[in-house]
Amino acid sequence: DIQMTQSPSSLSASVGDRVTITCRASQGIRNDLGWYQQKPGKAPKRLIYAASSLQSGVPSRFSGSGSGTEFTLTISSLQPEDFATYYCLQHNSYSITFGQGTRLEIK
Amino acid sequence: EVQLVESGGGLVQPGGSLRLSCAASGFTFSSYEMNWVRQAPGKGLEWVSYISSSGSTIYYADSVKGRFTISRDNAKNSLYLQMNSLRAEDTAVYYCAAIGAFDIWGQGTMVTVSS
Repeated sequence: DIQMTQSPSSLSASVGDRVTITCRASQGIRNDLGWYQQKPGKAPKRLIYAASSLQSGVPSRFSGSGSGTEFTLTISSLQPEDFATYYCLQHNSYSITFGQGTRLEIK
Repeated sequence: EVQLVESGGGLVQPGGSLRLSCAASGFTFSSYEMNWVRQAPGKGLEWVSYISSSGSTIYYADSVKGRFTISRDNAKNSLYLQMNSLRAEDTAVYYCAAIGAFDIWGQGTMVTVSS
């Protein structure tokens, strides 16, 4: 199975900050990666698909990059509604795997 | 409106069984691969099972292999997860989801395994 290593596991930041979250795949997954935001009691919501494409309706402050084994999610200027948990997900193999999650908290 | 709605969760004793359902609407369900994903309380997301659009190809996570069975009825726009020999560690919110080029998740249904 492909393992996804996500870092950091938690992050404290302020409104207006730029933050970056990283996922590393144990083997190459091309660009078969998505980034999801999850708020308490809600289903995950996809922000980025195909590693770098912005999901329709998602603010442009979210961006993704990477290919192969190294991927990043960047939020250019944090807004109050962005404080949530973020997950990467690979779907290159039939066995979908998630990163461990990054909890983004208000400083 | 494109949506998935899960049902069938609840409280069950260890060793018991439960069948989850997921009703799809607003899109051509029969064209899409589907998955079950779960999330234990306070934990991360865990993929559980996959089924191809036709139902001919199925995969399971090692943690549920031999105990859970995924199926679908394209005529009824429905996805199912039969869960047998349930354990305390199966306690989680269970989501049905299409993942990939087309991405949609249900709101989840809670399964609690406890005596």
